[in-house]
Amino acid sequence: GQQVMQIPQYQHVQEGEDFTTYCNSSTTLSNIQWYKQRPGGHPVFLIQLVKSGEVKKQKRLTFQFGEAKKNSSLHITATQTTDVGTYFCAGPRTISNFGNEKLTFGTGTRLTIIP
Amino acid sequence: NAGVTQTPKFQVLKTGQSMTLQCAQDMNHNSMYWYRQDPGMGLRLIYYSASEGTTDKGEVPNGYNVSRLNKREFSLRLESAAPSQTSVYFCASTTRTNYGYTFGSGTRLTVV
Repeated sequence: GQQVMQIPQYQHVQEGEDFTTYCNSSTTLSNIQWYKQRPGGHPVFLIQLVKSGEVKKQKRLTFQFGEAKKNSSLHITATQTTDVGTYFCAGPRTISNFGNEKLTFGTGTRLTIIP
Repeated sequence: NAGVTQTPKFQVLKTGQSMTLQCAQDMNHNSMYWYRQDPGMGLRLIYYSASEGTTDKGEVPNGYNVSRLNKREFSLRLESAAPSQTSVYFCASTTRTNYGYTFGSGTRLTVV
């Protein structure tokens, strides 16, 4: 079945350093989503990428979707303490013309910030 | 506030007891989902309901049942709880046009 892997599992950075997490799927994805989960909280939707090679930015966060639509990355520039949490990528289990009926989540990357 | 509401937030069960986790959304979403989250294993899909009146199994359905009571409500039942079902359970919903999932705040379940 479809697998979605994320690396690294953990990342500790000094405040102000950059951070990147990578997501790889065993199958081609119609789209990929990214979520953030604060410690003790619930996942919160950040963004969806649909097109091959697509790059989207949200302030200090840059999201990329690979040309083959099998991998993606999230890069945070100049991390802040508010960036602490676990970042998940997620891809649809089946390609659907009607949206994401089922998502497979990656295992997540837990980011901790050293002040 | 609009969103997904889960009850209870915390629960401790004894092995063999049963309980139902409740989930309701007020965003008129068609699809609803139950996930469990265990350390190091991300979110795994238990059951989902693509639309009112339909339900289907996810990755880890054994030991669970669901009911899509109406468009708003999707409940998860544990008939005979086992320690392996100790986890954090999240309900989520989405529409076909708004692709991002909206998650509830979760139910932390401990089975002793």
